[in-house]
Amino acid sequence: DTTVKQNPRYKLARVGKPVNLICSQTMNHDTMYWYQKKPNQAPKLLLFYYDKILNREADTFEKFQSSRPNNSFCSLYIGSAGLEYSAMYLCASSRGGRDEQYFGPGTRLTVL
Amino acid sequence: GQQVKQSSPSLTVQEGGISILNCDYENDMFDYFAWYKKYPDNSPTLLISVRSNVDKREDGRLTVFLNKSGKHFSLHITASQPEDTAVYLCAAVGATGGNNKLTFGQGTVLSVIP
Repeated sequence: DTTVKQNPRYKLARVGKPVNLICSQTMNHDTMYWYQKKPNQAPKLLLFYYDKILNREADTFEKFQSSRPNNSFCSLYIGSAGLEYSAMYLCASSRGGRDEQYFGPGTRLTVL
Repeated sequence: GQQVKQSSPSLTVQEGGISILNCDYENDMFDYFAWYKKYPDNSPTLLISVRSNVDKREDGRLTVFLNKSGKHFSLHITASQPEDTAVYLCAAVGATGGNNKLTFGQGTVLSVIP
């Protein structure tokens, strides 16, 4: 099974409220990633977990948090959603090193 | 600035023709280059990739050409079909602590018309 699963597929949130997105994979991949994609823009890496080590991109450092309670699951947490967070959020995983990334179907977040 | 660029936001090709999608990059440290295919509201799917030690890779109707001196790589799709209609994202990786850190282009919308 090479699928990466994401829940929910669609999420509606209010400005100022927290948002928690979930990703899972059963490929025993040691690295899991979160990307943000807006229309007509390239997917942007937000953060990734290599095993238990979290790496967050410098320009989104304070906006997103993540947790990885075990190898299979990884969450993306927004403490206080703003309108600018509306986007597709893509989770991906890979076997560490130089292997290809497998993407989940994405969660479309709409902040109102 | 954007490190991976797809200068053509869209491309229209007649069925049976060759689709050529282009990607330019800036970072000399990139050593892995990939093309992903994406349908609306779906996740990107890896089509084909190439390491920097080769300048061409073929897989069925797909061929990737890598021009390292020109910092350019392209995807050629021969015998294009309407099912090839999708967004094509190029991506590149440079080692960051040994992990893949994909940098994507903005995408090119390919439309193959019957």
